[in-house]
Amino acid sequence: AQTVTQSQPEMSVQEAETVTLSCTYDTSESDYYLFWYKQPPSRQMILVIRQEAYKQQNATENRFSVNFQKAAKSFSLKISDSQLGDAAMYFCASFHSSGNTPLVFGKGTRLSVIA
Amino acid sequence: DGGITQSPKYLFRKEGQNVTLSCEQNLNHDAMYWYRQDPGQGLRLIYYSQIVNDFQKGDIAEGYSVSREKKESFPLTVTSAQKNPTAFYLCASDRDRVYQPQHFGDGTRLSIL
Repeated sequence: AQTVTQSQPEMSVQEAETVTLSCTYDTSESDYYLFWYKQPPSRQMILVIRQEAYKQQNATENRFSVNFQKAAKSFSLKISDSQLGDAAMYFCASFHSSGNTPLVFGKGTRLSVIA
Repeated sequence: DGGITQSPKYLFRKEGQNVTLSCEQNLNHDAMYWYRQDPGQGLRLIYYSQIVNDFQKGDIAEGYSVSREKKESFPLTVTSAQKNPTAFYLCASDRDRVYQPQHFGDGTRLSIL
């Protein structure tokens, strides 16, 4: 079974600074996908970034990038030039493409941005 | 615009009562999901359906029931057997999780009276 672990329940960052959120996962599959979702106070889930396991290159979306370490089963999210609007819960998630299994989510990290 | 509509936004349940949460999507997605969110627990999967008239239990299905009679609709019933139903419930759908990641509704907050 897949598991996703986020070891940081809460994090804070100064506005304009950089912060990294940690995520580790456990899987025996070779073909899987990893995601970071953001849930602001409105509680809507928003996809931030995704990574295909077969790609060695780390995914990047504007100020958001990942550090994908496949051997270590680590998938951290880096937020650069943090903005007040980045304050939210962040969830790491994974799924295996074989068997059409649902997404498995971590417990989340609450990010605060300090002005 | 296409999307997922959950209703009601807030719902109150009396002891011993069944309540049904609505989830409708107009995205033409085949798969639909129900998640429960509690503080510090992240999202836990209750039920999911990959095709009409078929659904599977997730990690915490006890005390819940679903139906999938139409592609667009996936209602969740919280039965009286669910002893701790107070939570935030999220519905989601997808067609191809690789290129079209899950879309989520805005959620329903269920509380006990």
